[in-house]
Parts: sequence; C-alpha cells; structure tokens
Amino acid sequence: QVQLVQSGSELKKPGASVKVSCKASGYTFTTCSINWVRQAPGQGLEWMGWINTNIGNPTYAQDFTGRYVFSLDTSVSTAYLQINNVKAEDTAVYYCARGRLGGPYYFDYWGQGTLVTVSS
Amino acid sequence: QSALTQPPSASGSLGQSVTISCTETSSDVGYYNYVSWYQQRPGKAPKLMIYEVNKRPSGVPDRFSGSKSGNTASLTVSGLQAEDEADYYCNSYTGSVVVFGGGTKLTVL
Repeated sequence: QVQLVQSGSELKKPGASVKVSCKASGYTFTTCSINWVRQAPGQGLEWMGWINTNIGNPTYAQDFTGRYVFSLDTSVSTAYLQINNVKAEDTAVYYCARGRLGGPYYFDYWGQGTLVTVSS
Repeated sequence: QSALTQPPSASGSLGQSVTISCTETSSDVGYYNYVSWYQQRPGKAPKLMIYEVNKRPSGVPDRFSGSKSGNTASLTVSGLQAEDEADYYCNSYTGSVVVFGGGTKLTVL
C-alpha cells in the first residue's frame, strides 16, 4: 500500500536550518510528484510547491521562494524539504503529499505531517 | 492572485445532507476542472475526498459528491454520519498556481 512517512518533530532556534524527510513506499517513486503543504497552528492549508521526481525540477509557490529548498534522493525514494534561516512564523506542521507527475492537480496520499517549532 | 472562499462553518443533522461551497474570486475555477476536496480530522493529515471536480477516489463513500457551476465548486455530503465531522478544504490548480480554500468546519448535530 502507498505510504509517505515523514521524519519526526523538530525544535529549532531562529536562524537555524531544518530538513524534513518524506519516504515513499508502495509505488514507483519517480512516477508521481511530491508536493509540500504547510499548516500553521490553527490555520488552513498552504501549498508550498512541488518537485517532479522524474527530472528533479522543483517549483516553489510565490510565498515560498528563497529560504525553502525541495530535494530528492531517488535511491531511497525520499523527498526533502529544507528551510534555511528559520523564523518564528515558520512554526507549523509540514506535510508531503503525492501528486501527478504532470502537475499538482490533486494530492492522493499524504504523509503524517512533521511539526517544526521555531523558538529561542 | 486567485483565492477560494469557503464558509467557515456548516452543520447538519445525522442522516441529512449538507453542501459546502467554494467560490473562486477570478475565473480560475470556472475555466479549469482541477478542483479537489480534502477532509481533515483533528490532529490528522488531510485525506483526498474528491478530485477533478466530481471524481471519488477508491474507498471514499459515495455519500460524498462534487460539482461545479461557474466559479463555484461544491461538496455535498449525503446521509451525514458522525465521522463526517471534520474540516473540509477545497483546492484548485490553475495551470501554475495551487490554491486552497480557507476551510469549512463541518459539525454533525
């Protein structure tokens, strides 16, 4: 069965970097894209962007350029989200979600979420 | 940039039907057919309920249905059950931008 398993919660100080992993299983990793979605405490869902797992090309949403980096290690079917120079407003649950390779039309499987807390 | 507007709350009694709307402020929802709906229970990851306006993934009960008219997409839940109580988010892909609605909290009375 398809599963996306994310890494555990992180507590970071402002200015640090954090890297969240998303390990896929149950399907061929390079046949579907990986999307990243943020949910701040008590708030709604925000699409951060997606990465084409076949060619490794990331696309970032307008509000998520600069400090955010999507990457892959296809040898272990894993996608990564790195946030550099974290700020308090980055405190949120981050989800990876599987999408179509041709584009982020919809997201059929989701990881369990990773809570990132930024606090001094 | 486009935005999707949902009512913050909706409610219905057990066994009744409820419809949640999702209105696009530009022409995107009306032009593209990539509207999807997600259910999120407290403390859980979202779950895909409807994709491409009215298609149901395997395993989603047929009590859930989707539709679109002009710039408004809708999710209808028929025969409400207690486990349907959750937050529901619409989503639209417009060729380069993905937007989520603000979410609707569905209460089953």
